[in-house]
Amino acid sequence: NAGVTQTPKFQVLKTGQSMTLQCAQDMNHEYMSWYRQDPGMGLRLIHYSVGAGITDQGEVPNGYNVSRSTTEDFPLRLLSAAPSQTSVYFCASSHRDPSGNTIYFGEGSWLTVV
Amino acid sequence: QKEVEQDPGPLSVPEGAIVSLNCTYSNSAFQYFMWYRQYSRKGPELLMYTYSSGNKEDGRFTAQVDKSSKYISLFIRDSQPSDSATYLCAMKVTSGSRLTFGEGTQLTVNP
Repeated sequence: NAGVTQTPKFQVLKTGQSMTLQCAQDMNHEYMSWYRQDPGMGLRLIHYSVGAGITDQGEVPNGYNVSRSTTEDFPLRLLSAAPSQTSVYFCASSHRDPSGNTIYFGEGSWLTVV
Repeated sequence: QKEVEQDPGPLSVPEGAIVSLNCTYSNSAFQYFMWYRQYSRKGPELLMYTYSSGNKEDGRFTAQVDKSSKYISLFIRDSQPSDSATYLCAMKVTSGSRLTFGEGTQLTVNP
């Protein structure tokens, strides 16, 4: 029972580099989202998707792109990494109906931009 | 001002103590209230979920919501070292809307 799987776990990037954080879920959840967690700021929503082919911006979307070509996968792309994007990133998924009050998180991806 | 305020701690208690964790919020439209537990280097996991006002109990954990005061609490009875984690409150307006998280309170229960 994999749940929500994120890769990589740790990554160091140089300023200006691009990369993709991968997220996959095997629970057939319609709703998927990406958060970043920073000291003193809590979890903040970056982008989310309510189903394949549908994405929308969250609270802090600048510098990030997402796509949802399948129900299972929701990759997060950093186009040109900046030190301000140093953070811990969490992917999450849930059902869209009221049972979606239970949100499942991945184990996180630690990103450092130097 | 943040929409959800939570004292980040850290909070350190002896084993067996009763722990009280709290959040205040400003958006009166919030109806769904949750508590997540996050162990070090792990993702958050749902601990308690409450709709609207009232209390909910699950084993050693009790969640309380006071919508008139815009205040929610999580009580942990007979705290254990395994309860050492960061506790995040979260809330949303409707079932399908996005979650707003508090900053999280770091709790350590000492043996």
